[in-house]
Amino acid sequence: EPEVTQTPSHQVTQMGQEVILRCVPISNHLYFYWYRQILGQKVEFLVSFYNNEISEKSEIFDDQFSVERPDGSNFTLKIRSTKLEDSAMYFCASSDTGGWYGYTFGSGTRLTVV
Amino acid sequence: TQLLEQSPQFLSIQEGENLTVYCNSSSVFSSLQWYRQEPGEGPVLLVTVVTGGEVKKLKRLTFQFGDARKDSSLHITAAQPGDTGLYLCAGAEDTGNQFYFGTGTSLTVIP
Repeated sequence: EPEVTQTPSHQVTQMGQEVILRCVPISNHLYFYWYRQILGQKVEFLVSFYNNEISEKSEIFDDQFSVERPDGSNFTLKIRSTKLEDSAMYFCASSDTGGWYGYTFGSGTRLTVV
Repeated sequence: TQLLEQSPQFLSIQEGENLTVYCNSSSVFSSLQWYRQEPGEGPVLLVTVVTGGEVKKLKRLTFQFGDARKDSSLHITAAQPGDTGLYLCAGAEDTGNQFYFGTGTSLTVIP
């Protein structure tokens, strides 16, 4: 069954450093998303991406964050100047229907900012 | 930001028992999804409901969307240890396609 692949599975970084989280969505999906889940808290929407541009973003997704689809297969989330509170599980998801009938999530990247 | 409240927050039951998990909001949703998440993994889609009053069955799981499309329930019959996990509802409002996740129900089924 097609799956969304995320790398790395765990990333530790020092506060103030930049990190790039990588995702390979399902190949025939057109809609891509990033969500995050702080430990013990609910899954929070960050951004949706379609047709090579951001379609929606949440209040969390400020200038510190950016997304890119550098080629036909990867979808990346860049966090500039990481803060301690950025520590969370970051999930990539993709959909062929704009999420209407559900997303396929990756297994996540656990980001730890120290 | 819309809030989907799930209840109960935690549920621990014996194998073979039945249970119901609820997802409530003050907003009307055009689409509501249920996911199951295991520790260290991403949420896995169980079902999507889009019509008020809709009932969907997935083996021992029954999902219902409220008539007013503001609430939903998940009923599990004869729970098994493999049902253990975090159950999440997620809804999209009529006016947008941003899905908001609920607070989650952590289910433990004891053998």
